[in-house]
Amino acid sequence: DAGVIQSPRHEVTEMGQEVTLRCKPISGHNSLFWYRQTMMRGLELLIYFNNNVPIDDSGMPEDRFSAKMPNASFSTLKIQPSEPRDSAVYFCASSLGGFNTEAFFGQGTRLTVV
Amino acid sequence: ILNVEQSPQSLHVQEGDSTNFTCSFPSSNFYALHWYRWETAKSPEALFVMTLNGDEKKKGRISATLNTKEGYSYLYIKGSQPEDSATYLCAFRNAGNMLTFGGGTRLMVKP
Repeated sequence: DAGVIQSPRHEVTEMGQEVTLRCKPISGHNSLFWYRQTMMRGLELLIYFNNNVPIDDSGMPEDRFSAKMPNASFSTLKIQPSEPRDSAVYFCASSLGGFNTEAFFGQGTRLTVV
Repeated sequence: ILNVEQSPQSLHVQEGDSTNFTCSFPSSNFYALHWYRWETAKSPEALFVMTLNGDEKKKGRISATLNTKEGYSYLYIKGSQPEDSATYLCAFRNAGNMLTFGGGTRLMVKP
């Protein structure tokens, strides 16, 4: 398996534009997590899915952020409209649902909003 | 939001020193405690997943212990090497499968 695949790796956009980050989890994994890495808060959990269903989105900072998982092999994180303070590295991770299973991370998407 | 805290935030040691850091987490609704190693410009990679009170895990010079009753875990590195320099993250997994990370301990090992 190629691991968790995120795209794009880098995104530079202007303030006000819509940004869509994509994630392909490892095949067979049924949990998917979106994290944002910032200097202030480290790895901040935004939302996670179990079996494609959003379980907890309390970490999503504002209504401008939304996430979907239409099927077991694809998830998106959308920011609309984007703002400069959204600039960060966004990580996607997936895992099996068992209690003793680790999470595997994608390479991250570095978002810069100018 | 669950409170997972790590200390110290950063640590500088000399090559050959042994070191340890702490992760504290909620003692209720516990499912598992993870440790990850995160090198600069890479993604976090799992070191250990521990589930039972009193668990001890070891991988080479790195080991970890778990106390679920009091809500803490220790990570130990014996004889630190420059290649051990990284950020070490712990993460708390609750029964709802939420995986919450601490702020990490940044370790720098000087040759």
